[in-house]
Amino acid sequence: TAGITQAPTSQILAAGRSMTLRCTQDMRHNAMYWYRQDLGLGLRLIHYSNTAGTTGKGEVPDGYSVSRANTDDFPLTLASAVPSQTSVYFCASSDSAGGHTDTQYFGPGTRLTVL
Amino acid sequence: GQNIDQPTEMTATEGAIVQINCTYQTSGFNGLFWYQQHAGEAPTFLSYNVLDGLEEKGRFSSFLSRSKGYSYLLLKELQMKDSASYLCAVRDSNYQLIWGAGTKLIIKP
Repeated sequence: TAGITQAPTSQILAAGRSMTLRCTQDMRHNAMYWYRQDLGLGLRLIHYSNTAGTTGKGEVPDGYSVSRANTDDFPLTLASAVPSQTSVYFCASSDSAGGHTDTQYFGPGTRLTVL
Repeated sequence: GQNIDQPTEMTATEGAIVQINCTYQTSGFNGLFWYQQHAGEAPTFLSYNVLDGLEEKGRFSSFLSRSKGYSYLLLKELQMKDSASYLCAVRDSNYQLIWGAGTKLIIKP
């Protein structure tokens, strides 16, 4: 079982360009999440989806958009990248969004540098 | 505001015991998680506490006191492979995870 895959592994992007980070899970989890991780800070939630067809904003949603057309895929799009979006991006999934024993499982991450 | 505090870095000796503390102030509480993250890798789940007390899982144990807003992760018989960052996260009233910045644990021979 692959679990969660992310692509690309790393990317250097010119400021102003757009980019889509891909995330696919094969665990049939209902909920999916996008986080960014920056040095000295905790993981910060960008967007989430409790189930296919629905999305919500997290703590730092500005400059990012998501879609959840099906259960498995949850792409994150940067419409016009800025240097402050340089970060490591993690996609995660969980069986449900509200269960008391629910656990989030993470993909390997995408390291994005915006110049 | 919501806040999770953990020490930035700790050092311990191979074979010893180390305790990593986490204090939190969040809007609501629906469980506390500990994750391990090796450098350049994804976080992986270690433990979950929702009731007060100690949860033991092999060499790792996690403790929770909800009245004090406090948890710790206890690692016994330290091995070199335990060198990693340890992340504390609290699920708030909206069932979102609030994450600490992580504690980098350095194990010396």
